[in-house]
Amino acid sequence: NAGVTQTPKFRVLKTGQSMTLLCAQDMNHEYMYWYRQDPGMGLRLIHYSVGEGTTAKGEVPDGYNVSRLKKQNFLLGLESAAPSQTSVYFCASSFQGTYTDTQYFGPGTRLTVL
Amino acid sequence: AQTVTQSQPEMSVQEAETVTLSCTYDTSESDYYLFWYKQPPSRQMILVIRQEAYKQQNATENRFSVNFQKAAKSFSLKISDSQLGDAAMYFCALSGGYQKVTFGIGTKLQVIP
Repeated sequence: NAGVTQTPKFRVLKTGQSMTLLCAQDMNHEYMYWYRQDPGMGLRLIHYSVGEGTTAKGEVPDGYNVSRLKKQNFLLGLESAAPSQTSVYFCASSFQGTYTDTQYFGPGTRLTVL
Repeated sequence: AQTVTQSQPEMSVQEAETVTLSCTYDTSESDYYLFWYKQPPSRQMILVIRQEAYKQQNATENRFSVNFQKAAKSFSLKISDSQLGDAAMYFCALSGGYQKVTFGIGTKLQVIP
């Protein structure tokens, strides 16, 4: 049982390049989330999904797209990377997504945009 | 809107001593959960402890305990017998309402041998 995994762990991009971050969970969770973590700002929700084939915007969705084609995978895409997207990205999942649910986090991806 | 405030950017504690990390919050929800997450240098966010707002008894997990003061909207984390492995960023989080989790900005804990 690997829990939540993220690929890649590190990435450096040039401004304007695109990339996709992959999140996978093996806990059969319905809900999945993408956060970004910046110094002095805690974690902020980018997008989330309440089940296979669904996605919704979070607090800071601009410049990102997501897809949930399979229940266990949640992809975060950057179509045209900008230096402001330099951050650490965390994926999380939870069983039901209600406020009583605990979110389980992946190890994070450190992205640098030059 | 719900908010979580951690006013201590950094704390330090001597090994084997006790330290308390502070967290205050605000929410309009009638029921909610509060969490403390630990983020060591490996970056992996690990759940330390959680507390349901309706429960008056403070949650405890081994050396970790909370002091939940609902009226004051305060949720502090006490770490007893601090160990070197406790050194990490600690995030307080509030979950109230559907799919909404708000995190504080974190407190960096240093453990001095």
